Amino acid sequence: DAGVIQSPRHEVTEMGQEVTLRCKPISGHNSLFWYRQTMMRGLELLIYFNNNVPIDDSGMPEDRFSAKMPNASFSTLKIQPSEPRDSAVYFCASSSIGQVVYQETQYFGPGTRLLVL
Amino acid sequence: RKEVEQDPGPFNVPEGATVAFNCTYSNSASQSFFWYRQDCRKEPKLLMSVYSSGNEDGRFTAQLNRASQYISLLIRDSKLSDSATYLCVVNLFSGNTPLVFGKGTRLSVIA
Repeated sequence: DAGVIQSPRHEVTEMGQEVTLRCKPISGHNSLFWYRQTMMRGLELLIYFNNNVPIDDSGMPEDRFSAKMPNASFSTLKIQPSEPRDSAVYFCASSSIGQVVYQETQYFGPGTRLLVL
Repeated sequence: RKEVEQDPGPFNVPEGATVAFNCTYSNSASQSFFWYRQDCRKEPKLLMSVYSSGNEDGRFTAQLNRASQYISLLIRDSKLSDSATYLCVVNLFSGNTPLVFGKGTRLSVIA
C-alpha cells in the first residue's frame, strides 16, 4: 500500500517566491495534518483537516501561509511570499478514526525539505 | 513550561546495553501517549503506544505514570539499528486530533 505521498521532496527557492507543497494522504484516511520541523522548535502543528474541513489553523505562522484540502486525496500548503525563516522540513500526516478512538496512528509522509535563500 | 519535555541527549551506549528515556508532559488531561522513532533525514514513525498498565514489544518497554505525568521508554539489548531520535508524543484529546511532540532524545548505539 502506498503511504502518504509528498512533493516535492526538496525545494530551494529565493526569498519572496511562492512555494507550494503537496500531499496525498493514505486512501481512506479522513484526517490530514501539516507539521513543520526545525532544530530549534522541533515538530510543530501548522493546521489539520477532518473530512477535508480545516479544524484548527492556529499553528499557521502568519498570513503568508495557507492550506487547502479540495478533496479527500489531496492537500496543499502554500507560502507566499517565502522568507528564509520558513526554511524547515514540512511533513504531512494522515490518520483515520479507529475502533479505539484515542489510539489512532498518524502516518507521516517523507517530508519536503524547504530552503529559502 | 513546554507541553512535552525530553532530555535531548545524545545517549551514547554500547551494543547490548539497556537504556531508558523519560519524558514529562504538562497537561494532566492528556488522553493518549506514544513513542515515535525518527531516523536521520526521515519521517517520524510510530514505535509504540503507551498504556496506563505499561506495555512491552520485544526489547522495548513503555510505561506511563499519570500521577507524575511522565512517560518512559526502556530499550534492552541495544542494537546498532536502534540508533535514532525517539520522540515522546502526547494527544491532548481523543479522536483524530493533533499530536504534541517532544523535541526528541537522540540515541547512538556504538559497536
